[in-house]
Amino acid sequence: DIQMTQSPSSLSASVGDRVTITCRASQSISTYLNWYQLKPGKAPKLLIYFASGLQSGVPSRFSGSGSGTDFTLTISSLQPEDFATYSCQQSYSTPRTFGQGTKVEIK
Amino acid sequence: QLQLRESGSGLVRPSQTLSLTCAVSGGSINNGAFTWTWIRQPPGKGLEWIGYMSRSGSINYNPSLKSRVTISLDRSRNQFSLELFSVTAADTAVYFCAAEGGDGQLDPWGQGTLVTVSS
Repeated sequence: DIQMTQSPSSLSASVGDRVTITCRASQSISTYLNWYQLKPGKAPKLLIYFASGLQSGVPSRFSGSGSGTDFTLTISSLQPEDFATYSCQQSYSTPRTFGQGTKVEIK
Repeated sequence: QLQLRESGSGLVRPSQTLSLTCAVSGGSINNGAFTWTWIRQPPGKGLEWIGYMSRSGSINYNPSLKSRVTISLDRSRNQFSLELFSVTAADTAVYFCAAEGGDGQLDPWGQGTLVTVSS
């Protein structure tokens, strides 16, 4: 199985801050990397697909980059509705695997 | 707009079978663009992929659960199902259904249903 490691596991930030979350794969996954936003009691939301594709309807302050084993999710200016948990997922091979999640909290 | 919704028992006894259904609306389960997927999240832990089934019947399960899991499609009801056999407390989790697209992205998801394994 491909292991996905996210860092940090949590962070505290203020509205307006630039936030960067990293995801590392245990082997090359090309650009088969997706990012999701998770909030309790709500359906998880796809933010970024294929490493850098912005899902329709997702604000442009979200962006993704990377290829091979190292990937980044960036929120350019954190908004109140962005406080949530973010998870990466590889879709290069099965079983699909996820990072352990990064919780973004209010500072 | 495709929408998914999970339903099923929220409490399952140890050694029994967990059964969940995902109702698909706003589109057909026969749509070849998607594979129909189950994921779970144990309390305080990350997401775990359980497996998927395509319109053609192609199935792929997580090896860690393969001996205990079945995913099936009900075309007449436009829904798909999950059965997990011989459950233990470690199977307590929020269970999600989702549609996987061509590059493996999961969208949309259902909002999830909590299943507790307890006597």
